[in-house]
Amino acid sequence: DVKVTQSSRYLVKRTGEKVFLECVQDMDHENMFWYRQDPGLGLRLIYFSYDVKMKEKGDIPEGYSVSREKKERFSLILESASTNQTSMYLCASSLGYSGANVLTFGAGSRLTVL
Amino acid sequence: GENVEQHPSTLSVQEGDSAVIKCTYSDSASNYFPWYKQELGKRPQLIIDIRSNVGEKKDQRIAVTLNKTAKHFSLHITETQPEDSAVYFCAAGGSQGNLIFGKGTKLSVKP
Repeated sequence: DVKVTQSSRYLVKRTGEKVFLECVQDMDHENMFWYRQDPGLGLRLIYFSYDVKMKEKGDIPEGYSVSREKKERFSLILESASTNQTSMYLCASSLGYSGANVLTFGAGSRLTVL
Repeated sequence: GENVEQHPSTLSVQEGDSAVIKCTYSDSASNYFPWYKQELGKRPQLIIDIRSNVGEKKDQRIAVTLNKTAKHFSLHITETQPEDSAVYFCAAGGSQGNLIFGKGTKLSVKP
């Protein structure tokens, strides 16, 4: 089974802090994604990457950046955390080359910004 | 970009009844339409998907229909059971590989 591992399940940070959310997948998937999940708003795409060092903005990239230095690892960075970034963050991966495909999600990282 | 609308936001049914959730999408280039189920405190899991060269797909009590002309697709659950209670998300994706999700439907199945 594909495994998508998010290193932190729960984080509490202060406004203005820099936050790193790490995600690793072990099945050689080309595509990786970061979504944000909020009640009533569903899953909103922040950024995705279809190859090493490649990234594409999703629907809500403001306030976030990403890094993909290795194929298996996709990091989400909050340069200066704000209270409106308190949320559940979900990483996912999928096979590439053939367009959209089945996503496998990580367990999520719940971030609270005080 | 793609926009996916999902209705209803909440749905309550009696055990044994059918449940239908509907989604519309905006980008005619989208060609992949999955449905995910998320139980409380767990990650979303794929339950069924359909590609644009198919109009309907079934897997036991679950079926998905797609109308490409009207740009809408639906999830049908028959003979609902309490364990079907969850939040269901539809999504649409295309050649870029990304998936855009609807806002979700909270399904409650009452025994």
